Amino acid sequence: SQQGEEDPQALSIQEGENATMNCSYKTSINNLQWYRQNSGRGLVHLILIRSNEREKHSGRLRVTLDTSKKSSSLLITASRAADTASYFCATDEGGRGGSEKLVFGKGTKLTVNP
Amino acid sequence: KAGVTQTPRYLIKTRGQQVTLSCSPISGHRSVSWYQQTPGQGLQFLFEYFSETQRNKGNFPGRFSGRQFSNSRSEMNVSTLELGDSALYLCASGHGNRGEKLIFGSGTQLSVL
Repeated sequence: SQQGEEDPQALSIQEGENATMNCSYKTSINNLQWYRQNSGRGLVHLILIRSNEREKHSGRLRVTLDTSKKSSSLLITASRAADTASYFCATDEGGRGGSEKLVFGKGTKLTVNP
Repeated sequence: KAGVTQTPRYLIKTRGQQVTLSCSPISGHRSVSWYQQTPGQGLQFLFEYFSETQRNKGNFPGRFSGRQFSNSRSEMNVSTLELGDSALYLCASGHGNRGEKLIFGSGTQLSVL
C-alpha cells in the first residue's frame, strides 16, 4: 500500500525558479527520505530526515518534516534543466527492529524548462 | 566502490514463462530489497533479504520469489508470467537498518507479451 502521497503529481517550471513538492504519509515513522528518478532508471537518494528533525539542507535542497501533520516538503532552489526527473518520498513503517522496507509515494514529475 | 548491479537490463518474455533477475549489492552490504514499479501502482515492495534470510515480504502472489546467496547477491524469480508483471524491477542495497538510505540499481525492464 502507498504510505506517502506526493503533491503535485506534475510540476513544470522555468530554469532558475524554485520547485516545491509535498508529501503526506499515514503512519508513524523513524525517517523520511526523498529520492530522484530519471526516466526509466534507478532511484538516487537525495536526503534523509529523521523524525526528530524539522528541517534539513543539502546543497540546493531543503526538506522540512512536520510529524504532527504527517507531511514533508522538498524545496529545490534555483532549478536547472538537469533537475528534470521524478521525485519520490519514502518512509519506513516506524517501530523498531530490522527490515529496510520503504513505502513510496507515487511521485512528482518535475520538468524544468531551459 | 562499484554500484548496485542488476542484470539483465531489459528482458522480453511471453505469458506463462518464468524469469530470473539478478542483483549484486554494494560490497559490504548485507541487505537486498526488491521493488516493482509500474505506471499504475507505482513503487511496491516485493521482499527483503538479509544474510540469506527473507526478512520481510510485500503483498505479492507466490509466483514471486527470491533468494540471497552467501556473497549477498540476490535473485528474484517470477513464474508463470502474466501481462501485468510487465514492470521495472529495482533492487536496493543497504546495511540492513530500518529506514536507512538505500542504494538502487538501474533496474531490469521486463516486458511480458
